[in-house]
Amino acid sequence: EAGVVQSPRYKIIEKKQPVAFWCNPISGHNTLYWYRQNLGQGPELLIRYENEEAVDDSQLPKDRFSAERLKGVDSTLKIQPAELGDSAVYLCASSSSGSFNEQFFGPGTRLTVL
Amino acid sequence: GQSLEQPSEVTAVEGAIVQINCTYQTSGFYGLSWYQQHDGGAPTFLSYNALDGLEETGRFSSFLSRSDSYGYLLLQELQMKDSASYFCAVGYNTDKLIFGTGTRLQVFP
Repeated sequence: EAGVVQSPRYKIIEKKQPVAFWCNPISGHNTLYWYRQNLGQGPELLIRYENEEAVDDSQLPKDRFSAERLKGVDSTLKIQPAELGDSAVYLCASSSSGSFNEQFFGPGTRLTVL
Repeated sequence: GQSLEQPSEVTAVEGAIVQINCTYQTSGFYGLSWYQQHDGGAPTFLSYNALDGLEETGRFSSFLSRSDSYGYLLLQELQMKDSASYFCAVGYNTDKLIFGTGTRLQVFP
């Protein structure tokens, strides 16, 4: 069974540029999460989807961040415009409905904003 | 709000036993999970405790005391490949998970 797939793995952009990250969760997992992980810190939730509905986006900086999960499968996280402080690893995870304690993570996208 | 505390770093030698502690403060506590993350890698689920007591999975065991708001991850027969960061994560309000800042384990030969 394929794991969570993310692309790109690395991205370097200049500040004020837009950037997008893509995630394909494990087949059959209805719940999808986007996390941000700063160096030396734990993952911090940005948004959680149940199928195509965003059920928890309280930590998403909505002035510059947006996300979508059309058709309840793949998801895209976008930042526009990027700021220096957005440099981090962006992790996507998925889980079966109701199994939020056991999440399966993708390899992440390491974003560097110059 | 929710908060977790775990040591920032632990060192041990191959073959030894190490315990990584986690204390938490949260409302609506649901359970305690542990994840392993190698440098540059993805967090990987290790264990979950919803009830008090010890859960054993091979060389790894996890313990929870709900009354003490405390848990630990016990790693036995340490191997070099166990060098990684270990995160405790608290589940609360039935469907939310918050991660600690992680404990970096270094295993020396």
